[in-house]
Amino acid sequence: DTEVTQTPKHLVMGMTNKKSLKCEQHMGHRAMYWYKQKAKKPPELMFVYSYEKLSINESVPSRFSPECPNSSLLNLHLHALQPEDSALYLCASSQGDLLSTDTQYFGPGTRLTVL
Amino acid sequence: AQSVTQLDSQVPVFEEAPVELRCNYSSSVSVYLFWYVQYPNQGLQLLLKYLSGSTLVKGINGFEAEFNKSQTSFHLRKPSVHISDTAEYFCAVKLSSNTGKLIFGQGTTLQVKP
Repeated sequence: DTEVTQTPKHLVMGMTNKKSLKCEQHMGHRAMYWYKQKAKKPPELMFVYSYEKLSINESVPSRFSPECPNSSLLNLHLHALQPEDSALYLCASSQGDLLSTDTQYFGPGTRLTVL
Repeated sequence: AQSVTQLDSQVPVFEEAPVELRCNYSSSVSVYLFWYVQYPNQGLQLLLKYLSGSTLVKGINGFEAEFNKSQTSFHLRKPSVHISDTAEYFCAVKLSSNTGKLIFGQGTTLQVKP
């Protein structure tokens, strides 16, 4: 099973709202990723967790707050977002040691619209 | 700096025709190469990858790619495309530094026409 699930599929929120995106995998992977993808562009890496510890933060604004409660679950907490944050948010997972040979498996994404 | 260039932003092709999507990379260190496909309103799906060994790599859905170290290329090919192959295709590299970071090209839109 190479499935990464993400909920919700779509999310519309106002600039003062607080919401969370959820990602789950049951492949036994120990590395999980958040990407942001704007229309007609490649995914941009936001955060990487390895063994439930934050390994990479690509200078993401603090209105995005990641959380990795356990090895199969990854959340992205959103607060005071801007309209330009509207995008497809993709989660991915891979085996935990961040080896260059590891394959990242992507979820279907959450389409976020900020009004 | 390392980079990935997908030379064509759009490739229109008729059904059952062959197709090649081009990808070049620049890196002074060893790289590992991936092709992902993204169907409309979906996430990315791995098509194939080159880690080591034979330079000709076969993937899913009849796609294959050839790693050419001297030309720093990893072009994706399919001998006969279907309408269902219409999608966005991303070439990506990882460096041998084990950071887990994927460096993506800008993507190529494959439009298969009947």
